Amino acid sequence: EAQVTQNPRYLITVTGKKLTVTCSQNMNHEYMSWYRQDPGLGLRQIYYSMNVEVTDKGDVPEGYKVSRKEKRNFPLILESPSPNQTSLYFCASSLFGWASGGALDTQYFGPGTRLTVL
Amino acid sequence: KQEVTQIPAALSVPEGENLVLNCSFTDSAIYNLQWFRQDPGKGLTSLLLIQSSQREQTSGRLNASLDKSSGRSTLYIAASQPGDSATYLCAVVPMEYGNKLVFGAGTILRVKS
Repeated sequence: EAQVTQNPRYLITVTGKKLTVTCSQNMNHEYMSWYRQDPGLGLRQIYYSMNVEVTDKGDVPEGYKVSRKEKRNFPLILESPSPNQTSLYFCASSLFGWASGGALDTQYFGPGTRLTVL
Repeated sequence: KQEVTQIPAALSVPEGENLVLNCSFTDSAIYNLQWFRQDPGKGLTSLLLIQSSQREQTSGRLNASLDKSSGRSTLYIAASQPGDSATYLCAVVPMEYGNKLVFGAGTILRVKS
């Protein structure tokens, strides 16, 4: 089954304790991205990746890191989480990114990770 | 800066009713517009994608239209069912930076049986 998976689905942690949220897709997609969803603010892009070893900042990258060592995986790293990073996080992927000459095509989203930082 | 607005914020209708969800965007320079459905505890599911050169797309009981010059899109749901209850999100890919989606806040739809 074609899908985007995220782990963990729920996480409660404390300020300053490093954590990683994993994202994996099995569709051989080039483009992957991370969004956070907050009440009243909607979904906002954190980071995106056009392909392996190619990543760039989105609208709200502060406090986050990413890496793209393999095409299928795009982990989101919070080196020192703070309470303002409490949010619902989504990973998304699509076959092509902008660099392919077109625009983002149909996006496939993971089920989300609900993170609470105390 | 591109902004996307969805009206209404919430909508409650009886089963069987036809309904329209609205989406507006401030900059008409877009590559495409996508409609998503979000269910509680689940991710977003893509419903329809309309390229900037297209006027509408249809999938089953769903029809989405795009008027790029006026910065508007509508999602029409025919013969609504309780299973249609969800949050519907509209998103555009701006030409200024084609590498992300800019989302509206969504419309929460409840279809009563």
